[in-house]
Amino acid sequence: DAGVIQSPRHEVTEMGQEVTLRCKPISGHDYLFWYRQTMMRGLELLIYFNNNVPIDDSGMPEDRFSAKMPNASFSTLKIQPSEPRDSAVYFCASSFGRGWETQYFGPGTRLLVL
Amino acid sequence: AQTVTQSQPEMSVQEAETVTLSCTYDTSESDYYLFWYKQPPSRQMILVIRQEAYKQQNATENRFSVNFQKAAKSFSLKISDSQLGDAAMYFCAYRSGDQFYFGTGTSLTVIP
Repeated sequence: DAGVIQSPRHEVTEMGQEVTLRCKPISGHDYLFWYRQTMMRGLELLIYFNNNVPIDDSGMPEDRFSAKMPNASFSTLKIQPSEPRDSAVYFCASSFGRGWETQYFGPGTRLLVL
Repeated sequence: AQTVTQSQPEMSVQEAETVTLSCTYDTSESDYYLFWYKQPPSRQMILVIRQEAYKQQNATENRFSVNFQKAAKSFSLKISDSQLGDAAMYFCAYRSGDQFYFGTGTSLTVIP
């Protein structure tokens, strides 16, 4: 298995632009998580899905952030418009089973908003 | 509220020696899981070890072991025979039901 795949690995954009991060979870996993990591705030859970349905988005910082999971093998995290304070590493992770299995993290997307 | 605390922002260890990373957590739940993740410079999060709260026996994975003290809500990670490749950020994490929390991490340096 290739593991969790994220793209792009690096993204540099200008303030105000739309940013779309992509994630392909491990096949067969029914949970998908989006995290953001910064030096100031550490690792934060933004949103997670179960069977493609968003379960808890209380970690999403504001309306500029949105996430979708149109099918079991693909999810996007979109920021529109982007701001410099959104600069961070964004991780996608997937797992199988409700709470009892290990989350497998992707390599992350390093986002820099100028 | 559940929180995870790692009180050691940085630690260092001599190669081949043993080091212990501390983690405490706060919860009112009785059923939960605890994890240690390693984040090398490549930034990918790698699971090191996990512990089910209902198990009294401490989890062990090769050179990595935990000291799980449920009553004290403590979950420390011991790395034996430290290797240069162990240098990384280490995150303690807690999960119960749909809630998942990470600590702020401990940066481990391995000195040759």
